[in-house]
Amino acid sequence: AQKITQTQPGMFVQEKEAVTLDCTYDTSDPSYGLFWYKQPSSGEMIFLIYQGSYDQQNATEGRYSLNFQKARKSANLVISASQLGDSAMYFCAMRPGGSEKLVFGKGTKLTVNP
Amino acid sequence: EAEVAQSPRYKITEKSQAVAFWCDPISGHATLYWYRQILGQGPELLVQFQDESVVDDSQLPKDRFSAERLKGVDSTLKIQPAELGDSAMYLCASSLAGLAGRETQYFGPGTRLLVL
Repeated sequence: AQKITQTQPGMFVQEKEAVTLDCTYDTSDPSYGLFWYKQPSSGEMIFLIYQGSYDQQNATEGRYSLNFQKARKSANLVISASQLGDSAMYFCAMRPGGSEKLVFGKGTKLTVNP
Repeated sequence: EAEVAQSPRYKITEKSQAVAFWCDPISGHATLYWYRQILGQGPELLVQFQDESVVDDSQLPKDRFSAERLKGVDSTLKIQPAELGDSAMYLCASSLAGLAGRETQYFGPGTRLLVL
């Protein structure tokens, strides 16, 4: 069975600083995809970044980058130059290969302080 | 930009009453998902449709929950009777069929349900 673990219930960061949100996963599938979503208080899940299990390079999308360590089964999200609008819940999710289903972690609440 | 639409955004009901949520996916998306998100948790899949057919409803409490997508476009999720433990956010998502690689699901704004 697939499982996503996010061990940080809450994180605080100063505006303009970088922050790392942790995610570890458990799967026996050789092929899988890892996703990060942002959920503001409005409720909508917003896709941020994707990392495939066979990708050789860490994914980057603007201020978001993914620190993918396959041997450790970790996929940490790095947000650079934090902005007040980054305050939200962040969810790590996995999609096993051949499946369309997403398995989510419990999330991390990020608060950006001015 | 195309979006997934959901209504209502908020619903307050008393236990034992019936409630229904509606979702209209992004045009052309064959796959539709209903998730339940309990406060402090990540979303959990309730049911997945491919066009009008149910692909996965293994986590749907079928004694009280039902879902349909009659014409393969919009969908309705119903709870009857509602229980206190059903208080949660109900999220709808849609995607192209046969997701692969970085293709992802697109989520609607959700319906927040409070059962009193």
